[in-house]
Amino acid sequence: QSALTQPRSVSGSPGQSVTISCTGSSSDVGGYNYVSWYQQHPGKAPKLMIYGVSKRPSGVPDRFSASKSGNTASLTISGLQADDEADYYCCSYAGSYTSMIFGGGTKLTVL
Amino acid sequence: EMQLVESGGGLVQPGGSLRLSCAASGFTFSSYWMNWVRQAPGKGLEWVAKIKQDGSEKQYVDSVRGRYTISRDNAEKSLFLQMNSLRAEDTGVYYCAREWEPLAFDIWGQGTMVTVSS
Repeated sequence: QSALTQPRSVSGSPGQSVTISCTGSSSDVGGYNYVSWYQQHPGKAPKLMIYGVSKRPSGVPDRFSASKSGNTASLTISGLQADDEADYYCCSYAGSYTSMIFGGGTKLTVL
Repeated sequence: EMQLVESGGGLVQPGGSLRLSCAASGFTFSSYWMNWVRQAPGKGLEWVAKIKQDGSEKQYVDSVRGRYTISRDNAEKSLFLQMNSLRAEDTGVYYCAREWEPLAFDIWGQGTMVTVSS
């Protein structure tokens, strides 16, 4: 199964908002409410930012929000800060055979 | 502190084998599905394999099925990945990750590098 589709890069200035999309199919994103988002700084392990489509784990700022419509999930980061500059990956459950599938990743640049 | 620490990576020739380990601490290891996720150099994340709490169910991505075997030792709080018939495209950082309900990876190790090259 192919990776979920994310834009290669997005950018924004400090204080602004950016949205990263994640497009799959009815077999993954559209079929289950199990979309998660991960932030990865260079050389570091990924960090869970969103689970269950739109829920934030304890400790993740409410500047991070997410949603889903049909086969596309979205992550919005508001009030951009320098430390938000990182790679972001979406991930979806894709059924009992394929299990989990990641997006190709989006590089966020804070201008 | 909840922690995962991988080990066992290294340089191996194509066709060779390697066994990765992941030591868990700070949480009840036996209560969670556990996963391996890899990342090729400069590339994105790829889910590799997962194992149920008691080891009774295992799932693999198509590209490693039949070559890799995931296992665990709950008494030792350890997760393993036996990798056989390794290929150049298996090169990358391998992370172990705890699967937290619902189906998200909330704790990650620091990763261990596997390089398949002659």
